[in-house]
Amino acid sequence: AQSVTQLGSHVSVSEGALVLLRCNYSSSVPPYLFWYVQYPNQGLQLLLKYTSAATLVKGINGFEAEFKKSETSFHLTKPSAHMSDAAEYFCAVSLSGNTGKLIFGQGTTLQVKP
Amino acid sequence: KAGVTQTPRYLIKTRGQQVTLSCSPISGHRSVSWYQQTPGQGLQFLFEYFSETQRNKGNFPGRFSGRQFSNSRSEMNVSTLELGDSALYLCASSFRDRGPGELFFGEGSRLTVL
Repeated sequence: AQSVTQLGSHVSVSEGALVLLRCNYSSSVPPYLFWYVQYPNQGLQLLLKYTSAATLVKGINGFEAEFKKSETSFHLTKPSAHMSDAAEYFCAVSLSGNTGKLIFGQGTTLQVKP
Repeated sequence: KAGVTQTPRYLIKTRGQQVTLSCSPISGHRSVSWYQQTPGQGLQFLFEYFSETQRNKGNFPGRFSGRQFSNSRSEMNVSTLELGDSALYLCASSFRDRGPGELFFGEGSRLTVL
């Protein structure tokens, strides 16, 4: 069965510091992987997705993630945090691209300190 | 281009009542998925509809049901409400039949059961 584990429910960084949000997945076959962001009182917005075309994926707002099959990881990074990055981030996995069913991790709340 | 629209945004019900939530997908999207978001359980998949047919179903009791109309609009219904049904219900739409793509989420319907 598929599952997603996000290490750290809360991450706090200073403005300008590196952002690293961790995601590990469990899947018996190569999965499709996604990172979504949710701002307060809003729905989820896609940051980036891995669909086997390239292991390093670049997304919106300066975020990127690297798919590492050997580590079953898909960590999200951003070189320099902005105050506007404060939100909740979700890693998600799907075995099939043609589906609206995603398995989400528990989420990581990112706090950015001035 | 209009986004995913969910109505109502907020509602309060009492135990034992039933509720119907509505979702209008992005124009051209034929897949609509529903998710329940709670602080304790996170984001959990409820079901997915594509071309008026349920394609996937999550692990929720039969009190949770849905349907999709010919114009791709979808409704979900929860009967005999319980306190634990209090949650943010998110709807997401996608093309589904064009390979691994992103889900576009609405802002959700926040249900409070008293």
